Amino acid sequence: AQSVTQLGSHVSVSEGALVLLRCNYSSSVPPYLFWYVQYPNQGLQLLLKYTTGATLVKGINGFEAEFKKSETSFHLTKPSAHMSDAAEYFCAVWVAAGNKLTFGGGTRVLVKP
Amino acid sequence: DSGVTQTPKHLITATGQRVTLRCSPRSGDLSVYWYQQSLDQGLQFLIQYYNGEERAKGNILERFSAQQFPDLHSELNLSSLELGDSALYFCASSGGQGGYEQYFGPGTRLTVT
Repeated sequence: AQSVTQLGSHVSVSEGALVLLRCNYSSSVPPYLFWYVQYPNQGLQLLLKYTTGATLVKGINGFEAEFKKSETSFHLTKPSAHMSDAAEYFCAVWVAAGNKLTFGGGTRVLVKP
Repeated sequence: DSGVTQTPKHLITATGQRVTLRCSPRSGDLSVYWYQQSLDQGLQFLIQYYNGEERAKGNILERFSAQQFPDLHSELNLSSLELGDSALYFCASSGGQGGYEQYFGPGTRLTVT
C-alpha cells in the first residue's frame, strides 16, 4: 500500500524567504503526486500535480515541486514567501492499484512579517 | 470556487442521531469522493462513487453509508453518531475513475454533542 510522509507538521518562514515543504512517498509502482493547500475554514485547493513527463512541475501562486524517483520525494518550494501563503499544505499520492488518494499528515505554514 | 457544493456548512447534533450530508459535484464530473478530516486522524478517505456505483472504499465505518444519485449528487449518511464522529467532512469530485486531480468542496463541519 502507498503512504505519504510530510516532514514537519509546522514550518515557520519569514516573508520573502524560501518556502520548502518536504514530502516522501512509498509506492511500489509509479505514482501520481499532488500538493493541495487548505486555508482556514476552507476546502482543499489543488496547487500542482505530477503524473508523467517533466519532473519539475509548476503550480499556482508561484509554487513548484520536483519529482525525484531515486529519492521517492516530491518536495514543494516557493522562492519568496508571502503572508497569504499561511495555510496548511498536504501532499498526496495516487496509484492505480489502490484507486484512492492517500494524504500526508499536512504541514502548517506560518509566515512572519 | 471549486464548483463542488456541500450542504449544510455546519451541523450540530446529539449522540445517537442520524444525519445526511449532501454534495453536488462539478458539472460533468462523474466521480465523487468523501473524506473525513479530524485533528487526531488527519484526512481520511471514506468512499468513492463513479456514475452511481461504488468504486472504492476506505476507512468508512459500518454506521456510515453513501450513495450517488442519477443526477450525480451524492449523500453521506452517518447514523448512531458518537462524539468521535465530530469532524470536517469533505466531498471531492473528478472527471474520471481515478488518478485525476480531485476538486474539493468547502466541507461540512459536524459537531456531535
